[in-house]
Amino acid sequence: AQSVTQLGSHVSVSEGALVLLRCNYSSSVPPYLFWYVQYPNQGLQLLLKYTTGATLVKGINGFEAEFKKSETSFHLTKPSAHMSDAAEYFCAVSREAAGNKLTFGGGTRVLVKP
Amino acid sequence: EAGVAQSPRYKIIEKRQSVAFWCNPISGHATLYWYQQILGQGPKLLIQFQNNGVVDDSQLPKDRFSAERLKGVDSTLKIQPAKLEDSAVYLCASSSRTRTDTQYFGPGTRLTVL
Repeated sequence: AQSVTQLGSHVSVSEGALVLLRCNYSSSVPPYLFWYVQYPNQGLQLLLKYTTGATLVKGINGFEAEFKKSETSFHLTKPSAHMSDAAEYFCAVSREAAGNKLTFGGGTRVLVKP
Repeated sequence: EAGVAQSPRYKIIEKRQSVAFWCNPISGHATLYWYQQILGQGPKLLIQFQNNGVVDDSQLPKDRFSAERLKGVDSTLKIQPAKLEDSAVYLCASSSRTRTDTQYFGPGTRLTVL
């Protein structure tokens, strides 16, 4: 079985400050890892993903995440927050052997202060 | 390329009534997923189709929920009878044969059961 834990259901950052969203996973085999963003009343949009290869993954809108196997983590960062980053962010894990179904964390809502 | 389409976007019903949601995946995508997202939580997989066959419906409450994808394209998810705890956003996602690791989500249907 696989699971995802996102530390902090709400994060508040100032515009221009670092955004750091934490994600830890549990999986019996090397997983695929994802970050999705959800704006109000919209579906999920893929920010970035890790499947194989380079452990530092760059995504859209200036976000990046690093896969650390020893720490079972996949934290999401952005050097400088923008007002448009206010949204809910979900970390997710999947395995090809399990049909690639996604198991999501509980989400982290980001508030950006001017 | 058109994205995943879902309708209706919003639905309000009373408990014990029935409701149906429709999903049209991205053209050519063989795999289709239905997720349930309860307020304040991450999405949870209900059912996964590969073409018109069910791959995983282990989390689908089969006493009241049903889903079909008769021609391997569109899909409908039905709830009959609805309960208060079914109030949620129902998300449809699809993935292609060549990139099975990436799911694309529709905007969702927000269901309120009174």
